[in-house]
Amino acid sequence: DAGITQSPRYKITETGRQVTLMCHQTWSHSYMFWYRQDLGHGLRLIYYSAAADITDKGEVPDGYVVSRSKTENFPLTLESATRSQTSVYFCASRPTRGFGTGELFFGEGSRLTVL
Amino acid sequence: GENVEQHPSTLSVQEGDSAVIKCTYSDSASNYFPWYKQELGKRPQLIIDIRSNVGEKKDQRIAVTLNKTAKHFSLHITETQPEDSAVYFCAASQPNFGNEKLTFGTGTRLTIIP
Repeated sequence: DAGITQSPRYKITETGRQVTLMCHQTWSHSYMFWYRQDLGHGLRLIYYSAAADITDKGEVPDGYVVSRSKTENFPLTLESATRSQTSVYFCASRPTRGFGTGELFFGEGSRLTVL
Repeated sequence: GENVEQHPSTLSVQEGDSAVIKCTYSDSASNYFPWYKQELGKRPQLIIDIRSNVGEKKDQRIAVTLNKTAKHFSLHITETQPEDSAVYFCAASQPNFGNEKLTFGTGTRLTIIP
């Protein structure tokens, strides 16, 4: 049972390059999320998806693009990377939909450095 | 939108003593308050959560209390052990069907001193 996996785990890129972070989950969870983690800011939501082909912006969506053509995959693309996007990115999923929320299951994280 | 403030940002506690981390939230409609623990280099994991119809919840050495009137909730860890050293995040969520996003606090780095 692989659960939720992210790739790559580590990435170094240059300013202006396009970068895609992959997220794959094997549970068929409806909800998937992308967070970035920065010192002093905690976990901030970038984008989330309620189901395949349904995505919505979170708190800090500028400079990022997502898609969800299949339930199990939720890639995050930085179209033109900037140094301010240097961060640790966490993908997460959750099975339930409805009143209230349940446990988020996080991936291992992807550490991105933009030079 | 929801705003969650978390204090303190760092906390050092002697092994065996208790630790308390406090969070406040801004939206009175929020009704779900989880706590996540993140060990160094690892992913965040849920350790306990509470819903707004409950004032307190315990799980062994961990407890969470909620004061809806004051809009704050706290994590209490008793008899702390070295493995409790980690970063702890509180979070809050509104009961908006189809818009169930968690807003996290900025985290507390807890260090247990042997």
